[in-house]
Amino acid sequence: NAGVTQTPKFRVLKTGQSMTLLCAQDMNHEYMYWYRQDPGMGLRLIHYSVGEGTTAKGEVPDGYNVSRLKKQNFLLGLESAAPSQTSVYFCASSYGLANDEQFFGPGTRLTVL
Amino acid sequence: SQKIEQNSEALNIQEGKTATLTCNYTNYSPAYLQWYRQDPGRGPVFLLLIRENEKEKRKERLKVTFDTTLKQSLFHITASQPADSATYLCALDGLGGGSQGNLIFGKGTKLSVKP
Repeated sequence: NAGVTQTPKFRVLKTGQSMTLLCAQDMNHEYMYWYRQDPGMGLRLIHYSVGEGTTAKGEVPDGYNVSRLKKQNFLLGLESAAPSQTSVYFCASSYGLANDEQFFGPGTRLTVL
Repeated sequence: SQKIEQNSEALNIQEGKTATLTCNYTNYSPAYLQWYRQDPGRGPVFLLLIRENEKEKRKERLKVTFDTTLKQSLFHITASQPADSATYLCALDGLGGGSQGNLIFGKGTKLSVKP
């Protein structure tokens, strides 16, 4: 089992460009999450999904969109990247919500110039 | 609003000693508390989960306590080793604070174990 995988691992964007981050899990988890991690801020939840076809906003959703068309995939989109979106992005998945451990991917380091 | 604080940004200890990390929270009452380990350049890895009705939980050299009166969790690593050096994150469920049951993470404590 690969667990949770993320592509790409690194990306540099110019302000205003768009991109999609892909997360895939092979554990048949219902719940999937996108976090960003910034120095001094810790992990913050951007969006999450409680099942195929569903998405919901987390703590810091502005500037991001998500889709969960297939149970195993969770996509995070940046329509018009801004320097404030420079961060490390982590995808995670779990069987349940806070009463279950989350499995994290290796992260995507995004720089917006 | 909900607030989670981990006692310090960094903790340095000598190999063989017990490391104790603290996680304090305010303004809500979580039903679950989790601890994760994060190595540089990698995603967090789950270590332990403790429920509000459990006082203590152990796993090998790890021990977690959960005091709902003090609103505090302590994370202990006994007989620490240099390989234990990492950042440790606590996370609590937000059920009591309006986050639909998602985890809320602390900023982490970076532990360094010197040989």
